[in-house]
Order: sequence, then structure tokens, then C-alpha cells
Amino acid sequence: SAVISQKPSRDICQRGTSLTIQCQVDSQVTMMFWYRQQPGQSLTLIATANQGSEATYESGFVIDKFPISRPNLTFSTLTVSNMSPEDSSIYLCSAGGSDEQYFGPGTRLTVT
Amino acid sequence: AQSVAQPEDQVNVAEGNPLTVKCTYSVSGNPYLFWYVQYPNRGLQFLLKYITGDNLVKGSYGFEAEFNKSQTSFHLKKPSALVSDSALYFCAVRDRRYSSASKIIFGSGTRLSIRP
Repeated sequence: SAVISQKPSRDICQRGTSLTIQCQVDSQVTMMFWYRQQPGQSLTLIATANQGSEATYESGFVIDKFPISRPNLTFSTLTVSNMSPEDSSIYLCSAGGSDEQYFGPGTRLTVT
Repeated sequence: AQSVAQPEDQVNVAEGNPLTVKCTYSVSGNPYLFWYVQYPNRGLQFLLKYITGDNLVKGSYGFEAEFNKSQTSFHLKKPSALVSDSALYFCAVRDRRYSSASKIIFGSGTRLSIRP
């Protein structure tokens, strides 16, 4: 299994600002993903973070709003840009291979 | 397109009784199926998976799940529930037709409540 850490664990931000969330995996992984989850609700995939190329975004999510980096096989960042209160959510990093997928503890973001 | 449904928002069970959390899926090919659990203010924890082989899959904390291809279901079960099993449970599916790059899609979640 892979152990995934995220920083920060939570943050309160003002609207119009940006926040970058870091995700670190304790081993090299093929795939990394970013999800969003409202408390007590299901997970929505934002994008697949591709190593060495641009991220693949799901419908409803765009690179200008959620730029993603993945410089190597163990690290990725997600930036939430020009934040609004609607961006308040839990952001989860996920990583894995062909069989299993593991999740970080999440970053709880509140936008005021 | 792949999808997964959890028809029950909440399941209530008395401690010591068997529990079942239902899941049905839809994919074009053969699926990879998963169950995850989320405790309050915690991340998702992997419980078990079905890839191939025996239709009855055993996972963590005494949970098991049965893959039923004809009914396209993957229900989560436990013979004897514990109060500590109270949590939010997610069923998830990946379409095996694609490469390892294919995404996992999650169900809406079922809140399991075990009363003492």
C-alpha cells in the first residue's frame, strides 16, 4: 500500500486568492488523482495528474481554475485559483496503480 | 459510461446482527470493484476489491463482498456488526477495458449506523 500525505490539512482563505495543496506519496506510483468532496457526500474527480505532461481534467473542471503539477512519480500539487465560497470543500489526493487506489487525509478548505 | 449506485443513504443495524450495504454498477466491460470506508474527519480507507477469481472477496475489519455478475452487484457484508463499524461507506468501480490510467468512479455513499 501507499501512504499519502497532504499539506495543508486545512485552511481558511479569502475570496479571490489562491491556495496550493501539496500531495506526497511514500513510493513511486503510476497514477495520481485529485478529488473534491463535500462533507458527508461522494467524491468528484477533478483531474488525473500526469507525470511529465498536462493533467487530464473532468467535465466541469478547467486548468485555469485548478492548475495541477506533477514533477515526478511521488509528488503533485493542486492549486485552487481565484477562490469563491463555492470552492469550500475537502480536496483529496489519490494515488495508485492498476489494481488499487489510496487516498490522502484531505485538505479542508473554507473560503470566506 | 461507467456508473455505480448505492440505493440506501443510510443503513441501521443492531450490534451483533449481520449487515449488508448494497451496491450496483454499470460498465461496458468487466469491472474492477472497490469498497472504501470513511470515518468522521478522516480520509478514505481501502476495505477490499474484486479484480478476478472468487466471487466472494474478504477484506479488512471482517468485511466481505460478493460479486454477482448477472445482477451487476457488489454488496458489502459483515456477519456481526460492531458499533465501531459506524461510518460512511463508498462503493467504487473502474472499467477494466481501459489501462491503469482509467479513473475510479464513486457511488453516493451509505451511512452505516450500528446501535448498541
